[in-house]
Amino acid sequence: AQRVTQPEKLLSVFKGAPVELKCNYSYSGSPELFWYVQYSRQRLQLLLRHISRESIKGFTADLNKGETSFHLKKPFAQEEDSAMYYCALSGLIQGAQKLVFGQGTRLTINP
Amino acid sequence: DAGVIQSPRHEVTEMGQEVTLRCKPISGHNSLFWYRQTMMRGLELLIYFNNNVPIDDSGMPEDRFSAKMPNASFSTLKIQPSEPRDSAVYFCASTFNSGGARIGGEQFFGPGTRLTVL
Repeated sequence: AQRVTQPEKLLSVFKGAPVELKCNYSYSGSPELFWYVQYSRQRLQLLLRHISRESIKGFTADLNKGETSFHLKKPFAQEEDSAMYYCALSGLIQGAQKLVFGQGTRLTINP
Repeated sequence: DAGVIQSPRHEVTEMGQEVTLRCKPISGHNSLFWYRQTMMRGLELLIYFNNNVPIDDSGMPEDRFSAKMPNASFSTLKIQPSEPRDSAVYFCASTFNSGGARIGGEQFFGPGTRLTVL
């Protein structure tokens, strides 16, 4: 079954420390993977997508097909990174194109 | 552009009542999605429309839920009758699908409607 798994519901790190939000997926094809972010009192918005190979706000994510992972990383966390992060997969699922989200990880950056 | 607009922002109702959530997608977008967010299940896709036509409603939990998109600028999600377990935040999102491209990509989300069913 097509699935996105974010094993950590909560993640807390200190400011300046590296951060890694884990995402694993299950999909029988070539998926497109995304990270969405929801800051406090703001809308859910796209952070980055794997096809762009971009760094946004210092975050990067590499698609590892062998490990079926798309972990989000940042070398030095900032307090403004505190938010809810969702990993998402776009693909053909049950006959229809869909965007499937993981359950989300709430990241807290401690001062 | 004000982005995706949802109303109401908060809704408190009693079990058994009908609830109607509304969404106005971004002008020019032709795909619209309804999601439900709960602590237990995270963000779940309920239904999505492409060019006002429902494409996939497999995520709709049961017959009490229905969604319509009478035109390109308006959609409703109705729950009748509502139950306490329907309490959640309901999000609407929209995007432009060129037809050959995958659905998904960058979806633009509304602020959500927080529904509480007592």
